[in-house]
Amino acid sequence: EDQVTQSPEALRLQEGESSSLNCSYTVSGLRGLFWYRQDPGKGPEFLFTLYSAGEEKEKERLKATLTKKESFLHITAPKPEDSATYLCAVSAGNMLTFGGGTRLMVKP
Amino acid sequence: NAGVTQTPKFRVLKTGQSMTLLCAQDMNHEYMYWYRQDPGMGLRLIHYSVGEGTTAKGEVPDGYNVSRLKKQNFLLGLESAAPSQTSVYFCASSLEGYEQYFGPGTRLTVT
Repeated sequence: EDQVTQSPEALRLQEGESSSLNCSYTVSGLRGLFWYRQDPGKGPEFLFTLYSAGEEKEKERLKATLTKKESFLHITAPKPEDSATYLCAVSAGNMLTFGGGTRLMVKP
Repeated sequence: NAGVTQTPKFRVLKTGQSMTLLCAQDMNHEYMYWYRQDPGMGLRLIHYSVGEGTTAKGEVPDGYNVSRLKKQNFLLGLESAAPSQTSVYFCASSLEGYEQYFGPGTRLTVT
């Protein structure tokens, strides 16, 4: 059974304080690992897809990396508008298995 | 392009009532999905479709039915609503089964 665990559950940062979110996974035959951002009251917004260990993707202040067992979402010099819940998901077939998410709060 | 749209945005039902949630996408995607999101449970897949006329069960299919008569639409039905079905429902679509694009959600309360 595919499993995805995200840590921490919640993270409070000061504006400009860089940090990383963790996504640990177990899956048979990884087709892809996905990161999403979800704002309150809205649907998840697609950020990145990573397909193989060693791969990295960047978008503005976000950088996602992948190993054989986990993925990290690095946030460099975050701003208050980066506050959201970040979701990680894995695919081994036609379906995605989601983690519980990390709620990020960035204070000015 | 509107992307993925969901109708309605909010709904309150009484136990035993039925309703249908509509999802529409204008991206010509083959794959469509219905999820529910509950506090502490994350996003869980209810049913999905890999093409027009096809449907398949996800992780939590009991109490729900779906239909994909047209490629752009995916309907989720509740025949006899129960309080345990109070949740936020999200529809998503995908071109080839990889990246999924989500709609804005439907907040359903069953009393």
